[in-house]
Amino acid sequence: DAGVIQSPRHEVTEMGQEVTLRCKPISGHDYLFWYRQTMMRGLELLIYFNNNVPIDDSGMPEDRFSAKMPNASFSTLKIQPSEPRDSAVYFCASSEGQGIYGYTFGSGTRLTVV
Amino acid sequence: AQSVTQPDIHITVSEGASLELRCNYSYGATPYLFWYVQSPGQGLQLLLKYFSGDTLVQGIKGFEAEFKRSQSSFNLRKPSVHWSDAAEYFCAVGAWSGNTPLVFGKGTRLSVIA
Repeated sequence: DAGVIQSPRHEVTEMGQEVTLRCKPISGHDYLFWYRQTMMRGLELLIYFNNNVPIDDSGMPEDRFSAKMPNASFSTLKIQPSEPRDSAVYFCASSEGQGIYGYTFGSGTRLTVV
Repeated sequence: AQSVTQPDIHITVSEGASLELRCNYSYGATPYLFWYVQSPGQGLQLLLKYFSGDTLVQGIKGFEAEFKRSQSSFNLRKPSVHWSDAAEYFCAVGAWSGNTPLVFGKGTRLSVIA
């Protein structure tokens, strides 16, 4: 298995632009998680899905952030409009269940908003 | 709800020396526990996990961790550190009941000097 695949690896955009981050989870995993990592706040859970359905989006910082999972093999995290404080590394992770299985993380997308 | 504390933000050890990274958790029942490693520019990789049975668990890259219920701890150890072990290490705790995601500590950055 190729693992969790995220694209792009790096994204530089101007303030106010729309940004879309993409994630392909491991086949057969029914949980998908989006995290944000910054020096100041560490690793933050933004939202997670179970069987393509959003379960908890309480970590999404603002209405500018939205996430979708149209099918079991694809998810997007969108920021519109982007702001400099959104600069961070965004990780996607998947799991075959909640709990003892642990999560498999992608390599992340480093987002820089200038 | 479960929580996890990693008391050490940054640790420096000499190559060849032994290592112990501390992790303390809070949870009302037996948790399941994980250690992840994050190398620079990479996602988090699972080192080892505990959910029942033998309290000393072995992981990849020569790491081990011991679950101590009386101390609510799950410390990570390695007898001889290699320069390639320099990375960020995260402890995470999960709950047996409910549909709650893992809770991650804030991480401990390990530096290895010659």
